[in-house]
Amino acid sequence: SYVLTQPPSVSVAPRQTARITCGGNNIGTKSVHWYQQKPGQAPVLVVYDDRDRPSGIPERFSGSNSGNTATLTISRVEAGDEADYYCQVWDSSDHRRVFGTGTKVTVL
Amino acid sequence: QLQMQESGPGLVKPSETLSLTCAVSGASMTNNHYFWAWIRQPPGKGLEWIGSIFYSGTTYYNPSLKSRVTMSVDTSKNQFSLKLDSVTAADTAVYYCARDRSGRYTYWGQGTLVAVSS
Repeated sequence: SYVLTQPPSVSVAPRQTARITCGGNNIGTKSVHWYQQKPGQAPVLVVYDDRDRPSGIPERFSGSNSGNTATLTISRVEAGDEADYYCQVWDSSDHRRVFGTGTKVTVL
Repeated sequence: QLQMQESGPGLVKPSETLSLTCAVSGASMTNNHYFWAWIRQPPGKGLEWIGSIFYSGTTYYNPSLKSRVTMSVDTSKNQFSLKLDSVTAADTAVYYCARDRSGRYTYWGQGTLVAVSS
């Protein structure tokens, strides 16, 4: 089975940059999507297809994907960005959708 | 604006079957571009994809749950359903329905907590 590994937690000061990694075997060959989930709420898609943003998502959210690591970057972090973040891919070989282990972002 | 709403019992006994329905409003489920998915999240844990279904009935299930999962769709009511057999406490989770476009989820229901307990 395909496994996506994320760091359990990332801490960042306001107005600094947070980087959240998502590791997977040859993940660079897949399309990676990122979700933000705040307590008690459903996840929200913040980046899709590695680097595209849905309408309404600030430009501060960006993504990249290469080799065995995909990265979600949050620039100029705000208190409201504090949340859990999940990466996700679609394994087209068997149509399986796989989520990463999740990263809790704390704004100091 | 698409809206999705889960419904079903909040408490299921061990060894019984969990049954949930997701009502879709604001768009037809027969759009060729979308699958319709169930995703769950145990308390304090991460997200787990359960399965996805196309309006024609084509299904893809998580291999780890495949032996216990059945998904179905009712296009006349614009809704789809989940059945999970032989539940245990490990199946206690918030269950979300979501729209699946090319393996990504742009619309989600609010989620419904299902507890497995006697």
